[in-house]
Amino acid sequence: KAGVTQTPRYLIKTRGQQVTLSCSPISGHRSVSWYQQTPGQGLQFLFEYFSETQRNKGNFPGRFSGRQFSNSRSEMNVSTLELGDSALYLCASSFTGGGGGTEAFFGQGTRLTVV
Amino acid sequence: GENVEQHPSTLSVQEGDSAVIKCTYSDSASNYFPWYKQELGKRPQLIIDIRSNVGEKKDQRIAVTLNKTAKHFSLHITETQPEDSAVYFCAAILNYGQNFVFGPGTRLSVLP
Repeated sequence: KAGVTQTPRYLIKTRGQQVTLSCSPISGHRSVSWYQQTPGQGLQFLFEYFSETQRNKGNFPGRFSGRQFSNSRSEMNVSTLELGDSALYLCASSFTGGGGGTEAFFGQGTRLTVV
Repeated sequence: GENVEQHPSTLSVQEGDSAVIKCTYSDSASNYFPWYKQELGKRPQLIIDIRSNVGEKKDQRIAVTLNKTAKHFSLHITETQPEDSAVYFCAAILNYGQNFVFGPGTRLSVLP
């Protein structure tokens, strides 16, 4: 079956702009989580959506937002981009998310560069 | 909330030697502990996981041990090979419906 798909793979944006990233989970998976990965910072949790509802949220400013559609596809939006937002953004899908103990599968990520 | 620490941050071993990476977690209610491997330029991929009702799990050259009392779990790689070189992340899950909390990662280098 198809894996987790993220689009686009690469993005270059200018400070102050906004950006939307997309994540299509594995068929049947209802949980989609988003992470920011920067060198030396590991995987920083942004938020998790389950059945179209934001279930968990990390410690990121309100410029970072997301949503999930009825087909479980998820988007994240970053408004008023800052240089520090340059990172690899990864999404992960799983059947239940969290402590259900089901494996989370990662997409290949979107590399965002803010100039 | 849950907090996961991971040590060491970097680890270099000779090919054929063993490597051990240790993680500690803060919340005793956490019940699922996966390990992910991320090769350069690639996505993290699950290599092994363990649940809180199990003390050890092994898959060929990889094993994970869990000490619930001490709240730590470790990844053991035996007979390391150059293709084991990657960043390894541990994670802990508190309860159903909670998000994964990842450790900061360990960069493993296997020297030929």
